[in-house]
Amino acid sequence: GAVVSQHPSRVICKSGTSVKIECRSLDFQATTMFWYRQFPKQSLMLMATSNEGSKATYEQGVEKDKFLINHASLTLSTLTVTSAHPEDSSFYICSASPPWLLPDTQYFGPGTRLTVL
Amino acid sequence: KNQVEQSPQSLIILEGKNCTLQCNYTVSPFSNLRWYKQDTGRGPVSLTIMTFSENTKSNGRYTATLDADTKQSSLHITASQLSDSASYICVVSEGRSSNTGKLIFGQGTTLQVKP
Repeated sequence: GAVVSQHPSRVICKSGTSVKIECRSLDFQATTMFWYRQFPKQSLMLMATSNEGSKATYEQGVEKDKFLINHASLTLSTLTVTSAHPEDSSFYICSASPPWLLPDTQYFGPGTRLTVL
Repeated sequence: KNQVEQSPQSLIILEGKNCTLQCNYTVSPFSNLRWYKQDTGRGPVSLTIMTFSENTKSNGRYTATLDADTKQSSLHITASQLSDSASYICVVSEGRSSNTGKLIFGQGTTLQVKP
């Protein structure tokens, strides 16, 4: 159990376009999901905490108008990178915490590789 | 400042050999410590979790230790296999993590197992 999926697994887009990444908890309802960004040879950096039915909480330095997060249902959170630029190229990973566990127990998705040309 | 530091940064070993990865943390209050394995281009997968009162935890060929007094943890891999080639990340939860879900990540150790 506790499977988290992401779609797409990789995406290449032109500079200035917007890209949407989906994160789904397949076998449990997640009231809280998390979005991370990982640059090469670096560890995961938390971008935002996504709560179902409310606005996401962004970490310091993360532009909320650029990285739009929607958590419209208990099994789906989306991250939209608006007006993407080459510096946004990164590995984006989501995680979800089952409701019967504390939020620090997170199951991670397989990640989405974004390349902005 | 809450920090997690791992060593070595990278490691190359021959298939069948053992290795030990280190994790030092300055996190307070401490809640728990997890080791994750992250294959290239994939998300992290949990290997072990230890709370304050646990000294050791095994998961197959992976054995994690925790010394809460010295704030050190290690991950020992026995009889390494080519599939063990990955990044190993030490992650610590501090007291408020149980509410916020904010985790403190180490930089990871990249392990390469060669035939």
